[in-house]
Amino acid sequence: AQSVSQHNHHVILSEAASLELGCNYSYGGTVNLFWYVQYPGQHLQLLLKYFSGDPLVKGIKGFEAEFIKSKFSFNLRKPSVQWSDTAEYFCAVIGSSNTGKLIFGQGTTLQVKP
Amino acid sequence: GAGVSQSPRYKVAKRGQDVALRCDPISGHVSLFWYQQALGQGPEFLTYFQNEAQLDKSGLPSDRFFAERPEGSVSTLKIQRTQQEDSAVYLCASSLGTGPDTQYFGPGTRLTVL
Repeated sequence: AQSVSQHNHHVILSEAASLELGCNYSYGGTVNLFWYVQYPGQHLQLLLKYFSGDPLVKGIKGFEAEFIKSKFSFNLRKPSVQWSDTAEYFCAVIGSSNTGKLIFGQGTTLQVKP
Repeated sequence: GAGVSQSPRYKVAKRGQDVALRCDPISGHVSLFWYQQALGQGPEFLTYFQNEAQLDKSGLPSDRFFAERPEGSVSTLKIQRTQQEDSAVYLCASSLGTGPDTQYFGPGTRLTVL
């Protein structure tokens, strides 16, 4: 069965610091990967996704992620974080190509200090 | 355009009561998903609809949980004889197509069972 592991549960950074959040997934055939973000008081929204092609994926608000098949990883990065990036971040993988259901990691809480 | 909406946003139930949670997906979206999110965890898949057909209910934790989407649009998740362990945020998501696709999430219903 597919599974997702996020290594960092709680990350605290100062503004302008660089960010990298780890995500590893278990292998299960064709891989479709996502990063979702949940800002305080808001609903889950898509940051970026990888379906195929260029393994370096760019998303909204300056975020990017790199799919490394050999490492079963899909780490999220941002060169310089802002206070407004304070949120919870979830990595997810498609758990069934038939239905498209998502398997989520347990999430990483990012706190950016101004 | 309107996103996914859910009602009620908050529900408090006494143990043993039945509850019904509603989801209005984005108009025209074929796929609809329900997830359960416990405190401090990532969302976990409950069930999937393709139009009015419930194609996957493997994530429903017990036979007290029942979902329907009779006309292929609005969906209702019903929990009978609620238990304290049912306390969680229940998320609904929809996607335009079937299979791997971007899912758009609603704000969730926070259920508290006393």
